[in-house]
Amino acid sequence: QKEVEQDPGPLSVPEGAIVSLNCTYSNSAFQYFMWYRQYSRKGPELLMYTYSSGNKEDGRFTAQVDKSSKYISLFIRDSQPSDSATYLCAISGGYQKVTFGTGTKLQVIP
Amino acid sequence: NAGVTQTPKFHILKIGQSMTLQCTQDMNHNYMYWYRQDPGMGLKLIYYSVGAGITDKGEVPNGYNVSRSTTEDFPLRLELAAPSQTSVYFCASSYSVPGTVYYEQYFGPGTRLTVT
Repeated sequence: QKEVEQDPGPLSVPEGAIVSLNCTYSNSAFQYFMWYRQYSRKGPELLMYTYSSGNKEDGRFTAQVDKSSKYISLFIRDSQPSDSATYLCAISGGYQKVTFGTGTKLQVIP
Repeated sequence: NAGVTQTPKFHILKIGQSMTLQCTQDMNHNYMYWYRQDPGMGLKLIYYSVGAGITDKGEVPNGYNVSRSTTEDFPLRLELAAPSQTSVYFCASSYSVPGTVYYEQYFGPGTRLTVT
């Protein structure tokens, strides 16, 4: 069983839609949960980071963690064409070791 | 600040040749990492370093070597290149202090390597 599973997509949505991106993980020792955004032919950049169950909001982005189900989500409200990118979930047990999901490619159609 | 820089951006290598991918960061970060990214496979950690003179293997170290003689530089050496090493290579860095377990990783723009 993979440590982190993520649907690769691609996911195509119209501008203004609510986007839901999800990952599951297998090891309950993981405590830190991140979402990275990667534009085409660029390096990933950290979008959101949380270490607790529940929701964390930052503008149009909400990260949700359900540790009991080992399930993490990223919601994008009022999606924009500039949100078109690959979104990678990442989890960590601490001390700098991070396991990345395979990434979900998102396209927002104007 | 330039952040994390990588050279070259692209390279084609013949089977059996060797080369070094360069990575430099100007943020005075103590941790540095090398990942490879293959389609549908996510980022796989090759090697990492917790400071100058200290390196350790990641998930997929075979066929690679690293050194870290300065805080700023973390080159990745490919010896006897094989087609399986065709990939996009990302260098990253982060800064940690005692008692804190996680900090954001900052990635470079990547090196696209083809071995043929």
